[in-house]
Amino acid sequence: DAGVTQSPTHLIKTRGQQVTLRCSPKSGHDTVSWYQQALGQGPQFIFQYYEEEERQRGNFPDRFSGHQFPNYSSELNVNALLLGDSALYLCASSLALDEAFFGQGTRLTVV
Amino acid sequence: GENVEQHPSTLSVQEGDSAVIKCTYSDSASNYFPWYKQELGKGPQLIIDIRSNVGEKKDQRIAVTLNKTAKHFSLHITETQPEDSAVYFCAVPPANQAGTALIFGKGTTLSVSS
Repeated sequence: DAGVTQSPTHLIKTRGQQVTLRCSPKSGHDTVSWYQQALGQGPQFIFQYYEEEERQRGNFPDRFSGHQFPNYSSELNVNALLLGDSALYLCASSLALDEAFFGQGTRLTVV
Repeated sequence: GENVEQHPSTLSVQEGDSAVIKCTYSDSASNYFPWYKQELGKGPQLIIDIRSNVGEKKDQRIAVTLNKTAKHFSLHITETQPEDSAVYFCAVPPANQAGTALIFGKGTTLSVSS
């Protein structure tokens, strides 16, 4: 049983560009959450998707948007990239309100 | 909103010693308390969790204790081994919200020397 998978593993983008990150949840999970983890910090909640809708959102600007597909996979989009967006982006999946399992993350570097 | 504080920020122990990491939270309605272990270059791994209806939970060398009155919970690792070296995070989901967003502590870097 595959766990949570994220792609790509690493990405380098230029300031002002747009980026799309992808996540496939653990088999049987229907809820996907996205987190941003800056170096040396704990993960910070961006938003959560359930039944293809954004159910909860953290304190992140509208430049951060997402989508969940009928197969429960999800995308995170970030527009107008800033240097400060450089971080490890983590996807976590869960079944309804149960335990959350994380993927390996996507390391985004904005130059 | 929920506030989560984790101590200590770094912890160095000798192999075989015990390690304890403490987390305090602010929302008395919180009812789920997970601990995650993050190794270098990897995502956080859920290692143990506890719900508010119990005071302690054990899984081999790892245990979590919960004091709801004082609003803190602790991770206990006994007989530490070098492979326990990692960053450990506590997390708390804000209560009374529909989703399962987690508020994380700042992490504890555990170093186990042999």
